[in-house]
Amino acid sequence: QSALTQPASVSGSLGQSITIFCTGTSSDVGGYDYVSWYQQHPGKAPKLIIYNVSHRPSGVSYRFSGSKSGNTASLTISGLQAEDDSDYYCSSYASSSSVVFGTGTEVTVL
Amino acid sequence: EVHLVESGGGLVKPGGSLRLSCVASGFTFTDAWMSWVRQAPGKGLEWVGRIKRKADGRTAVYGAPVKGRLTISTDDARDTLYLQMNSLNIEDTAVYYCVTEGYTYGYHSLGVWGQGTTVTVSS
Repeated sequence: QSALTQPASVSGSLGQSITIFCTGTSSDVGGYDYVSWYQQHPGKAPKLIIYNVSHRPSGVSYRFSGSKSGNTASLTISGLQAEDDSDYYCSSYASSSSVVFGTGTEVTVL
Repeated sequence: EVHLVESGGGLVKPGGSLRLSCVASGFTFTDAWMSWVRQAPGKGLEWVGRIKRKADGRTAVYGAPVKGRLTISTDDARDTLYLQMNSLNIEDTAVYYCVTEGYTYGYHSLGVWGQGTTVTVSS
């Protein structure tokens, strides 16, 4: 199972919105509504911020939203804040009964 | 509060073995699917494998890079998850995280993470 494809880096100014794309295949992203997104700050464990494509866990800011179209999922961060400066990973359930992660995106808040 | 604490990491020579442990608290461990995820230095996340809940027979599934060398098991009486790692190679050097899969939130979402334990394979 190959890793899902994410851009290596995305940047935006404070208050702006950015979108991170996560591209897979019909055997993972396109085949199931089990896409999740994680935020990871340096030296810390990842944190779940989106599950089942577009649902937010309790306590996660409304500024994070997710969607999916075909084999591509996306995470949008609106109203960028300094604390959003972090690494972001998508994941999806795959037909091999595994979980596959994205390659990761470094978000820089300018 | 759901809490996961890993231990057992350390320095091991290529070809060696190591067993990682993860003690769970704050939830019904036997009802949870549990996964291991690893992250090599400066690299992305990689799913290692999962073990299903007790009612599903505690069956395990593994990612391709580790199949045949790593074994996931549990001691349900001690609320503990294990990762037995054999025939270790340099590429297994990583932080290993214990994670709940689909327990708190949606199916196959990795909801609660431990703090991680570091495994270094080096001669």
